[in-house]
Amino acid sequence: EADIYQTPRYLVIGTGKKITLECSQTMGHDKMYWYQQDPGMELHLIHYSYGVNSTEKGDLSSESTVSRIRTEHFPLTLESARPSHTSQYLCASSEPGQTYEQFFGPGTRLTVL
Amino acid sequence: GESVGLHLPTLSVQEGDNSIINCAYSNSASDYFIWYKQESGKGPQFIIDIRSNMDKRQGQRVTVLLNKTVKHLSLQIAATQPGDSAVYFCAENRATGANNLFFGTGTRLTVIP
Repeated sequence: EADIYQTPRYLVIGTGKKITLECSQTMGHDKMYWYQQDPGMELHLIHYSYGVNSTEKGDLSSESTVSRIRTEHFPLTLESARPSHTSQYLCASSEPGQTYEQFFGPGTRLTVL
Repeated sequence: GESVGLHLPTLSVQEGDNSIINCAYSNSASDYFIWYKQESGKGPQFIIDIRSNMDKRQGQRVTVLLNKTVKHLSLQIAATQPGDSAVYFCAENRATGANNLFFGTGTRLTVIP
C-alpha cells in the first residue's frame, strides 16, 4: 500500500479565506501531482513537480499555487477561496524511470461556502 | 455486462458475472495505459497496467486488452464481486515530454448481489 497522506480529509470554509492543503509521501518519489476531481468525474491535473524547487502548471487552469521545498512535501494553497473552488483535490506521486504508475492519497474534499 | 465508457458511464452486473469496462483513448503515440479503481471517498487505486507493445495482460481476476488499431482499451473483471463496485478510470501516457497521465471519463460499476 502506498504511503501518501493528505490533510485535512474534509474542509468547509468561508469565501475569502486562505487555505493550504497538505500532501506528504514517504516513498522518496521525485515526481508529485495535484488533481482536481468533481464527484464521479475525471481527474484534471492542475499542478505537478519534478522534484525539489520544481513546480509546473497542469492541463486545467487553477488559481491555486504549490511549492516543493522538500521531496516528501507538496502543499497546495488557495489565497482566497471561492465557491467555484469546491471540489475534491487528490495528491499523487510517482517514480519516473520505472513505470508511469501514480500512487494517490485519499483526497481532500473542499467546500467553500 | 459491458460498457462503452463515454457513452455508458454506468454498468450494472449480477454478482458472479463477468464485467467488461471499455475505454477509448485519443493519442496513437500513447505508450502506456493503466486502470484505476476508485471507491467512494478514496483516492484511485492501481489495478493493472499495460505497455503499448503488448495486446493483453492478466492479473488476479482482471485482464486488460489493448487494441491499438482502433485505440481501444478494455478491462475485464471475472466473477464480479460486491467489493468490485466502484468507479473505474483508464489513463494513458501520451509520451509527451512531461510523461503525465491523462485520465478518461470513469465508468461506475455496480454489482447486484
